[in-house]
Amino acid sequence: EVQLLESAGGLVQPGGSLRLSCVASGFTFSNYAMNWVRQAPGKGLEWVSMISGNGGSTFYADSVKGRFIISRDNSKNTLFLQMNSLRGDDTAVYYCAKREFQLGFDPWGQGTLVTVSS
Amino acid sequence: YELTQPPSVSVSPGQTARITCSGDVLPNQYAYWYKQKTGQAPVIIIYKDFERPSGIPERFSASTSGTTVTLTITGVQAEDEADYYCQSADSSGTFVFGTGTRITVL
Repeated sequence: EVQLLESAGGLVQPGGSLRLSCVASGFTFSNYAMNWVRQAPGKGLEWVSMISGNGGSTFYADSVKGRFIISRDNSKNTLFLQMNSLRGDDTAVYYCAKREFQLGFDPWGQGTLVTVSS
Repeated sequence: YELTQPPSVSVSPGQTARITCSGDVLPNQYAYWYKQKTGQAPVIIIYKDFERPSGIPERFSASTSGTTVTLTITGVQAEDEADYYCQSADSSGTFVFGTGTRITVL
């Protein structure tokens, strides 16, 4: 069974940093692009970032470009999101999601809440 | 770029619900649909415009016409009450989700 399990989020002050991780199981991790998608409280889904299977290509939403860094450790089946210079509008549930070419985001992790507040 | 959906659709059990998603990229990029129940992660229900993943009921279908794609739920059931999001991509490797539609089963 394919599973994605995000690390616990947490409360961080504006301007601070936090690193999320997502451990994958049930599939050959290095064969698939991985993504982060977030959802602010009571709001819709927002794609954040994607990394290719070998980690050689990364993509970011304009809202996080220059502040967030996506990476992966294929030896540990783990995806990361390093979030720097956090702002209040980064408060959201963050989901990791596997993406197969033309098949969409499937599955998704259970999500982890990141709260940016003083 | 944006994908625009109606904020809400209400439908009685057994009736048909339709959700539109409009965006300039849609004639050139595949559309995907996700269902999200309250407090849960999204689940994909349509990929590549109208393909249905295994395990998704046949009452879910989708179609495209120009800059609009439509998700149709035929014979709505109480368990279909959820938020639904369309999603597509652009040529630069980035993705966008629609604004989301809440389906309420009366």
